[in-house]
Amino acid sequence: DTGVSQDPRHKITKRGQNVTFRCDPISEHNRLYWYRQTLGQGPEFLTYFQNEAQLEKSRLLSDRFSAERPKGSFSTLEIQRTEQGDSAMYLCASSLAPLQGAGELFFGEGSRLTVL
Amino acid sequence: SQQGEEDPQALSIQEGENATMNCSYKTSINNLQWYRQNSGRGLVHLILIRSNEREKHSGRLRVTLDTSKKSSSLLITASRAADTASYFCATDEGMGAQKLVFGQGTRLTINP
Repeated sequence: DTGVSQDPRHKITKRGQNVTFRCDPISEHNRLYWYRQTLGQGPEFLTYFQNEAQLEKSRLLSDRFSAERPKGSFSTLEIQRTEQGDSAMYLCASSLAPLQGAGELFFGEGSRLTVL
Repeated sequence: SQQGEEDPQALSIQEGENATMNCSYKTSINNLQWYRQNSGRGLVHLILIRSNEREKHSGRLRVTLDTSKKSSSLLITASRAADTASYFCATDEGMGAQKLVFGQGTRLTINP
């Protein structure tokens, strides 16, 4: 068990380009979450999956953002037509679904996006 | 949207002193969790306290929860320079909620 891994760790792109981030969760975890974090702020929820089903998306998530978890294992987060306001750290986390509520999240090291 | 608010936003103390951080939240919860984040890194889970618990300990960490006041505190005793980090509380917003909502964090600096 190598923990949650994210790739790439850093991405610099020009405004208008598309970017894709990948997250490999802990293998036995059935939930996978994406968060976004800007400097000095707490993580902001974007979306989450239980197995391959995307169960919730933040209302703040524009239609330029899309996430998939095709086989209930790894996940990708794509941002189309990037804007400078998309510059942030994108954090992935996984967990085992508890009977109630949200369980302990295991975070990856994040993918830092800079849009020029 | 942010569920929790931490107080203070920043805290600077001397090594060996105790550090206390507070968190307030808005809705009913199943549990409240505290996480730590070193600069530029991912978050690491510290402790989880359920809504029917009032206090929990883990090593040098002590967490309290007051559901009537919708608040929690994290106490780190005998602080070390390595405790320098940002600390976040997170809640799950009650029945049926399956995601965590994080506060804005307390930035803790331990001076040697």
